[in-house]
Amino acid sequence: DTEVTQTPKHLVMGMTNKKSLKCEQHMGHRAMYWYKQKAKKPPELMFVYSYEKLSINESVPSRFSPECPNSSLLNLHLHALQPEDSALYLCASSLSARSGQPQHFGDGTRLSIL
Amino acid sequence: TQLLEQSPQFLSIQEGENLTVYCNSSSVFSSLQWYRQEPGEGPVLLVTVVTGGEVKKLKRLTFQFGDARKDSSLHITAAQPGDTGLYLCAGGTNYGQNFVFGPGTRLSVLP
Repeated sequence: DTEVTQTPKHLVMGMTNKKSLKCEQHMGHRAMYWYKQKAKKPPELMFVYSYEKLSINESVPSRFSPECPNSSLLNLHLHALQPEDSALYLCASSLSARSGQPQHFGDGTRLSIL
Repeated sequence: TQLLEQSPQFLSIQEGENLTVYCNSSSVFSSLQWYRQEPGEGPVLLVTVVTGGEVKKLKRLTFQFGDARKDSSLHITAAQPGDTGLYLCAGGTNYGQNFVFGPGTRLSVLP
């Protein structure tokens, strides 16, 4: 079982809906990440939070809005998504954002945009 | 932009065979990580290598980091059907910036 928990596991939403993806870890990690993974492709980094502050935004459209309420939680707020945003959204955490720290992944939220 | 390449893209072998997959870049990485991902699940970390020339063993899996820290290999001895999955290498250079995944090697081990 993964130590990074993501909810929901599956989400279907229309282009006008607003929804949120949630991620939780209790390993004391201070870096948390959002990735997007399309079918048969590797994960692509979207956002990095370090000590609850956004440190990296990989040119992600504003219809994706991350939030880190505390060191254990990471949310991704979704609004006005497009069909091409359908993908597996993965959350990961590591002890710190320093390169070389192993990242622990959740099992992802499979998102479908109608 | 740093890029990681992996080869082969696909590999289908019989149970009991040995195999090696490769991860290469023109950039120097401070560390490389190997993950295995199965359908419907997130990537699971297998190993992190940080020192040039480093060799790490995990049961039947042997990981090597190139001397110049630009490449890595994963060797599996006596592959089993449970080894089937997508093997991803990933690396970064500085504080999580430019952390990238390779395209992966999809391994299928047939019984």
